[in-house]
Amino acid sequence: QSALTQPASVSGSPGQSITISCTGTSSDVGGYNYVSWYQQHPGKAPKLMIYDVSNRPSGVSNRFSGSKSGNTASLTISGLQAEDEGDYYCGSYTSTRTLVVFGGGTKLTVL
Amino acid sequence: QLQLQESGPGLVKPSETLSLTCTVSGGSISSSSYYWGWIRQPPGKGLEWIGSFYFGGTIYYSPSLKSRVTISVDTSKNQFSLKLGSVTAADTAVYYCARQGTTSCVDYWGQGTLVTVSS
Repeated sequence: QSALTQPASVSGSPGQSITISCTGTSSDVGGYNYVSWYQQHPGKAPKLMIYDVSNRPSGVSNRFSGSKSGNTASLTISGLQAEDEGDYYCGSYTSTRTLVVFGGGTKLTVL
Repeated sequence: QLQLQESGPGLVKPSETLSLTCTVSGGSISSSSYYWGWIRQPPGKGLEWIGSFYFGGTIYYSPSLKSRVTISVDTSKNQFSLKLGSVTAADTAVYYCARQGTTSCVDYWGQGTLVTVSS
């Protein structure tokens, strides 16, 4: 059982927007603005897409955006493209001695 | 460009110790601005943080693995290592070495190495 809760799957058509949620507690997501999002394609290492809730690393498309409200963070992908298909994980700093906790992952299917 | 590369046996027998090394190039693990550590992913499952260290500071371990895990550092080789003892089939996973920022985000990952626990 993962520390953070994500939907198992989401889907959307090319050009549409989708949002993936990530729910934690006041000890992690709700307590700090330190949520990150990762994209993983089959057989590949995860790639950082969003850090500190809403910041994009250099080179990440501005179609990816992040936000947070209370204990729930969200990743929104606009203008869906076939290449966006894959697994997405959220992560958060936590006040426990665990430096990072992850969500269980969400499989994004582009229809 | 920072690169991390895992190395070690791909097959470990039950009850034995899993040992992996991460070699870092393009940057120094002695940097005081980052954590360096290990994350694993069982086949078809999600990510699990194992442990991380901050050079010159504390080593943090996952509470669920703490009794079996040791992370060590060799600054002369710019490497760090993972040892996980008393392994079982449940420890079969792709093991990644990684760099974490101080706000916990993992900004660099190794390519990952599959370790299978089987007799």
